[in-house]
Amino acid sequence: SYELTQPPSVSVSPGQTASITCSGDKLGSKFACWYQQKPGQSPVLIIYQDNKRPSGIPERFSGSNSGNTATLTISGTQAMDEADFYCQAWDSSTEVVFGGGTKLTVL
Amino acid sequence: QMQLQESGPGLVKPSETLSLTCTVSGGSISSYYWSWIRQPPGKGLEWIGYSDYSGSTNFNPSLKSRATISLDTSKNQFSLKLSSVTAADTAVYYCATGMYYFESWGQGTLVTVSS
Repeated sequence: SYELTQPPSVSVSPGQTASITCSGDKLGSKFACWYQQKPGQSPVLIIYQDNKRPSGIPERFSGSNSGNTATLTISGTQAMDEADFYCQAWDSSTEVVFGGGTKLTVL
Repeated sequence: QMQLQESGPGLVKPSETLSLTCTVSGGSISSYYWSWIRQPPGKGLEWIGYSDYSGSTNFNPSLKSRATISLDTSKNQFSLKLSSVTAADTAVYYCATGMYYFESWGQGTLVTVSS
């Protein structure tokens, strides 16, 4: 079965850039998206179709997907961005797969 | 924006069938795709399956033999049934819109499998 691998944790200082990776075989040939989940809340879609932002999502969130890696980049990270982040991929053969999640700490 | 709300029993006995309903407002169940996703306590997200607007379904291979999703257009609801549950099925269950990605989510409902 298809698997997506994320680092368990990433730390960043306020105002700096955070990058969270998501790795999978030929992931660049699939659609990738990202969710942010804060404690006790439902996940929120922040990036879809590799690099598109839903309305209401701040411009500091951006995404890319190439080769075997998708990357979520948060520019000018704020304390309010501290959360768990999940990548997710889709294609017609693997259907829907989630990564294991990355805990972002802003310190 | 579309709103979704899960409902159903919070406690299910082992070997029985888990049944949940998602009520949709702000959009028609006869459009879009409708999905179920779960999250065991302290763990990551797991896709269960989806139904399209016509009732055609697709499931996670690991759950395919136990899961069904159905639509009730008269009530603007869709439902999940998961049979032969075990403690490993204890999780927060979310309903959501979408198939390739999930735009709107319900608040989630915790289902515990225990005797």
